[in-house]
Amino acid sequence: EAGVAQSPRYKIIEKRQSVAFWCNPISGHATLYWYQQILGQGPKLLIQFQNNGVVDDSQLPKDRFSAERLKGVDSTLKIQPAKLEDSAVYLCASSFRVRGLVHEQYFGPGTRLTVT
Amino acid sequence: AQSVTQLGSHVSVSEGALVLLRCNYSSSVPPYLFWYVQYPNQGLQLLLKYTSAATLVKGINGFEAEFKKSETSFHLTKPSAHMSDAAEYFCAVMESNFGNEKLTFGTGTRLTIIP
Repeated sequence: EAGVAQSPRYKIIEKRQSVAFWCNPISGHATLYWYQQILGQGPKLLIQFQNNGVVDDSQLPKDRFSAERLKGVDSTLKIQPAKLEDSAVYLCASSFRVRGLVHEQYFGPGTRLTVT
Repeated sequence: AQSVTQLGSHVSVSEGALVLLRCNYSSSVPPYLFWYVQYPNQGLQLLLKYTSAATLVKGINGFEAEFKKSETSFHLTKPSAHMSDAAEYFCAVMESNFGNEKLTFGTGTRLTIIP
């Protein structure tokens, strides 16, 4: 089966510019996650969708970050305006859920963002 | 709140030697635990997971981990290191809370294999 797809793979922007990342999860996976991975740290959850609804966005800096998953499939994450500290790898993951069972999250290759 | 501590941000072992990567967790409920591996410029790949079944979990590429509740640990081992094992390894804990299956990751351990 095809894995989680992300684009672009790399992006360089100047501070105060805007940027958007795209994610296509594995077919049939209802749950989608966006993580931020700063160099030298583990991934940190930004937002979790169940179908097209938000389950958890408690760690999303909502003054500059936004995300949507309009049709319950693809998702976009936007940063506007970007700051230097947003330089990181943005990982998208997806999973499916069967009641009572725990399934792992499948990760995409990530988008490496550099803010100058 | 859940958290993960990985002892040793860098570990070096000789090819053929035992690999031991340490992970301790904190969780208010019985946890689910995971080990992921990340190769350069790639996403995370699941090595193994503990979901309250057998305490000794076997994963891919010859890795295994043992859940020890008394020590709140989930250390990752491999009997004989291979050059291809060089990567970054992340331990993660999940508290499943009515569909909010949030993963909390440790800071990672970079494994270097010495020829």
